[in-house]
Amino acid sequence: QVQLVQSGAEVKKPGASVKVSCKASGYTFTGYYMHWVRQAPGQGLEWMGWINPNSGGTNYAQKFQGRVTMTRDTSISTAYMELSRLRSDDTAVYYCARDRFPVGATTAADYWGQGTLVTVSS
Amino acid sequence: SSELTQDPAVSVALGQTVRITCQGDSLRSYYASWYQQKAGQAPVLVIYGKNNRPSGIPDRLSGSSSGNTASLTITGAQAEDEADYYCNSRDSSGNHLVLGGGTKLTVL
Repeated sequence: QVQLVQSGAEVKKPGASVKVSCKASGYTFTGYYMHWVRQAPGQGLEWMGWINPNSGGTNYAQKFQGRVTMTRDTSISTAYMELSRLRSDDTAVYYCARDRFPVGATTAADYWGQGTLVTVSS
Repeated sequence: SSELTQDPAVSVALGQTVRITCQGDSLRSYYASWYQQKAGQAPVLVIYGKNNRPSGIPDRLSGSSSGNTASLTITGAQAEDEADYYCNSRDSSGNHLVLGGGTKLTVL
């Protein structure tokens, strides 16, 4: 069965960087785009971008361009999301989510990781 | 600010029908997907494309679209439908995805 297992909670100081991992299993990792979505406490979902695990190509939301980097390691079927120059308003749960359709980025993400809480505090 | 607008909260009596809407210019060109999120859980995809449900999603949930508005309809709402619902589509450029602000559904 498809599973996405994310790394554990992080506490970071303002200005630091955080790297969240998402290990995929149960399907061909390179066959499906991976999205990253975050949710601040008590707030709505926010799309951050996607990565094509096959080519490494990425597409970032304008809000995060210059601060976010999405990468992957196909040898271990793992996607990564790194966010730099952290601020207090980056405190959120970060999710990876697999696109439903092979080889494409759509609005339908059918498998989600369990979420990783990133807390930014001095 | 989101390019997709949702009502913050909607309520429905048990067993009745409720429509949750999502408005945005990009919806004239692109379908919306819908996600259900219960407290403390990851979102779940419930509708995608014109009106498609992943396996395991009850058929009382359905999607539709007209003009700049996408809708999620729950026919015969159940207590377990109480959740936050988010629409998801492309932005006006078509290059990026965007999520609505979410609608909190209360089943009375």
